Amino acid sequence: GQQVMQIPQYQHVQEGEDFTTYCNSSTTLSNIQWYKQRPGGHPVFLIQLVKSGEVKKQKRLTFQFGEAKKNSSLHITATQTTDVGTYFCAGPSNNNDMRFGAGTRLTVKP
Amino acid sequence: DVKVTQSSRYLVKRTGEKVFLECVQDMDHENMFWYRQDPGLGLRLIYFSYDVKMKEKGDIPEGYSVSREKKERFSLILESASTNQTSMYLCASSWAAGTTGNTIYFGEGSWLTVV
Repeated sequence: GQQVMQIPQYQHVQEGEDFTTYCNSSTTLSNIQWYKQRPGGHPVFLIQLVKSGEVKKQKRLTFQFGEAKKNSSLHITATQTTDVGTYFCAGPSNNNDMRFGAGTRLTVKP
Repeated sequence: DVKVTQSSRYLVKRTGEKVFLECVQDMDHENMFWYRQDPGLGLRLIYFSYDVKMKEKGDIPEGYSVSREKKERFSLILESASTNQTSMYLCASSWAAGTTGNTIYFGEGSWLTVV
């Protein structure tokens, strides 16, 4: 079945450094979504990408959807301690449910 | 704001007990989901439902069942709890997903410990 793979599993950065997490699907995706889960919290929707090659920005966060619509990335410029959490990508399966990657847990050292 | 409410935040149950996890959403969403979250494994789909009385198995349905008698309520049932079901359980809901997808809204999570 459809799988969404996400790397790295963990990333520890110094405050001010950049951070990137990558998501790859075994099949072409109609869309991809990104979520953030703060420590002790629940996942919260960040953004959805639909078009091939699409790039969207939210302040210091840049989201990309690959040309083949099988991969995506989230890049954070100049991380802050408020960026701490686990970032998940998710894509629709053939059954129209959403399948999540394993997540990338980001820690930021002040 | 969409609200997904899970009835219990923390539970401790004994091996072999029957466990009910209740979830209610207030946005008239068609889709409802149950995930479990374990370190290093991300969010794994147990079951989802796209309509009342309808259910579909996710990736890890073994040992679980679900019930959706009303649109706003989706229950996860552990018929005979086992220690390997100790986990955090997340309920979620969304509008019916089309090819462009729809935002998933999560509840706060239920931490279940089986002893």
